[in-house]
Amino acid sequence: DQQVKQNSPSLSVQEGRISILNCDYTNSMFDYFLWYKKYPAEGPTFLISISSIKDKNEDGRFTVFLNKSAKHLSLHIVPSQPGDSAVYFCAASADYKLSFGAGTTVTVRA
Amino acid sequence: SQTIHQWPATLVQPVGSPLSLECTVEGTSNPNLYWYRQAAGRGLQLLFYSVGIGQISSEVPQNLSASRPQDRQFILSSKKLLLSDSGFYLCAWSPSTEGLKYYEQYFGPGTRLTVT
Repeated sequence: DQQVKQNSPSLSVQEGRISILNCDYTNSMFDYFLWYKKYPAEGPTFLISISSIKDKNEDGRFTVFLNKSAKHLSLHIVPSQPGDSAVYFCAASADYKLSFGAGTTVTVRA
Repeated sequence: SQTIHQWPATLVQPVGSPLSLECTVEGTSNPNLYWYRQAAGRGLQLLFYSVGIGQISSEVPQNLSASRPQDRQFILSSKKLLLSDSGFYLCAWSPSTEGLKYYEQYFGPGTRLTVT
């Protein structure tokens, strides 16, 4: 049973524009949510996290929004840059463990 | 600062052979340690996690086992590899204390395992 879902397998965005990645979850017990970025043949890199008691967290070009009633979170990247082309994973934390979505591949076009 | 190492980076092994992947963490004490596998085109599946020396929890019944012989060393093993064990194996660590953002996990570079 997949508790974290990323329903868009890919996203293409023009350089300088906003990238919006979405994630849905089913477990109300998740206490933190995280986004990771991954290049091929490398380990994921932590980007940003948000507590379940917050609705927004911002770090530079990255902003994560949490809608707890809808069990939905999103990652906004503004402006998108060529180096942002990668796979992005949504993750949710409970009991010291993370559950990951399947990932969204972002391609930033010049 | 903390660093996490994994080796080897790539490995090709025949079916039925044993496996040993090693992960070490530097710059922190008593971390939580994790082993994940990423199959081609899929997300990360948690295989094992450990909150202390000798303490291993298994998430998925399978052909693999894990051990933590030292505080900052985590080993993934198999006695006989199957074709289905092929994948990208990732080790991760997180702080063990709630005040230190225990929920944030940091990943190693990974090992690409191909079972032939």
